[in-house]
Amino acid sequence: NAGVTQTPKFRVLKTGQSMTLLCAQDMNHEYMYWYRQDPGMGLRLIHYSVGEGTTAKGEVPDGYNVSRLKKQNFLLGLESAAPSQTSVYFCASSYSRVRLAGARTLTGETQYFGPGTRLLVL
Amino acid sequence: AQSVTQLDSHVSVSEGTPVLLRCNYSSSYSPSLFWYVQHPNKGLQLLLKYTSAATLVKGINGFEAEFKKSETSFHLTKPSAHMSDAAEYFCVVSGPPRLQGGKLIFGQGTELSVKP
Repeated sequence: NAGVTQTPKFRVLKTGQSMTLLCAQDMNHEYMYWYRQDPGMGLRLIHYSVGEGTTAKGEVPDGYNVSRLKKQNFLLGLESAAPSQTSVYFCASSYSRVRLAGARTLTGETQYFGPGTRLLVL
Repeated sequence: AQSVTQLDSHVSVSEGTPVLLRCNYSSSYSPSLFWYVQHPNKGLQLLLKYTSAATLVKGINGFEAEFKKSETSFHLTKPSAHMSDAAEYFCVVSGPPRLQGGKLIFGQGTELSVKP
């Protein structure tokens, strides 16, 4: 299994250009996520998907769009890139299984991360 | 609301000495907790996770973490640092249950340096 792969690895854009980042997973995971990583801020969730054809906003969705047309793929689009979108983008995926512990309902399935895409917007 | 605070942005140890990376969390329900490691220019790798079983969790590469509910802490330790441990470490708490997609909330990260 390749796990989670991301395309491209590195890209330079000019302000106003558009691009699409591709994430693919071969683990049959239902959930997929896009994060951005900036110095001193950890990872922040941009958008996520709990299944084919469904997407939802995360913590920092502005300026991004996503699509999940196939279960194994999750696309992140930048319609009009801005310098503030210079970052490292990580995709992740996980199972959706919820485990019960007594009266408590827990998630906590491990998320598996791709190698990242470095994006520089000039 | 859920949050994670990593108490040190940078920790420096000598090779062969113990490692302690501190993490406090806040959650309105019983969370799952994780430690991830990121080596330079690499993706994130899971070190260990806690999901309400044993409070002392053993992970890969000799790392372990102890869940202390009374202190809302989940500190990461290793008895003896190795040069290859130099990396950035993230403490992570799971988001609200299934309805919100099992999201993760990341701490700001702790950079571990290991001196020869």
